[in-house]
Amino acid sequence: EPEVTQTPSHQVTQMGQEVILRCVPISNHLYFYWYRQILGQKVEFLVSFYNNEISEKSEIFDDQFSVERPDGSNFTLKIRSTKLEDSAMYFCASSPREGFGNEQFFGPGTRLTVL
Amino acid sequence: DQQVKQNSPSLSVQEGRISILNCDYTNSMFDYFLWYKKYPAEGPTFLISISSIKDKNEDGRFTVFLNKSAKHLSLHIVPSQPGDSAVYFCAASDAGNNRKLIWGLGTSLAVNP
Repeated sequence: EPEVTQTPSHQVTQMGQEVILRCVPISNHLYFYWYRQILGQKVEFLVSFYNNEISEKSEIFDDQFSVERPDGSNFTLKIRSTKLEDSAMYFCASSPREGFGNEQFFGPGTRLTVL
Repeated sequence: DQQVKQNSPSLSVQEGRISILNCDYTNSMFDYFLWYKKYPAEGPTFLISISSIKDKNEDGRFTVFLNKSAKHLSLHIVPSQPGDSAVYFCAASDAGNNRKLIWGLGTSLAVNP
């Protein structure tokens, strides 16, 4: 069964460093998302991406964040200068379509630890 | 921001009995609701969904009920099995085009043999 994959599973970085989290969505899906979950808190929407551009972004998704779909398969989230509060699980999701039935399929997540 | 609330952080049920997980929401613009299951060290797995034009959707052992007037939905698992032990998240989506999901905090279900 097709699945969303994410690498790395765990990333440790120093505050101020750049990180790139990688995702391979399900191949025929058209809509892509990043969410994050800080320990003990809710899963939070970061950004949605469709047709090679950002559809919507949350307040969290400031100038330090960017997303890219550099080829036909990868979907990346870059944090330019990490802060301690960026430590969280980051989940990538994809969906084949919007409208009713827009179930999103999630990857296993990347645990980002900023020291 | 408490648009989606799951007020029970945990629930313990005997194997074979019914598990009922509850979710409340405040935003009347939500038109689609989803339940996800999550095991430790894994991403959320889609379980079942319901649109706001329905009041019930059933898939095998899982049934979701929606009460729009009360802004309440529930997930019923019958019969519960030990493999159902996981964290269950309620999520909602509004009528906007991008279908971002707004999540509850989750309920940890333990099904005891």
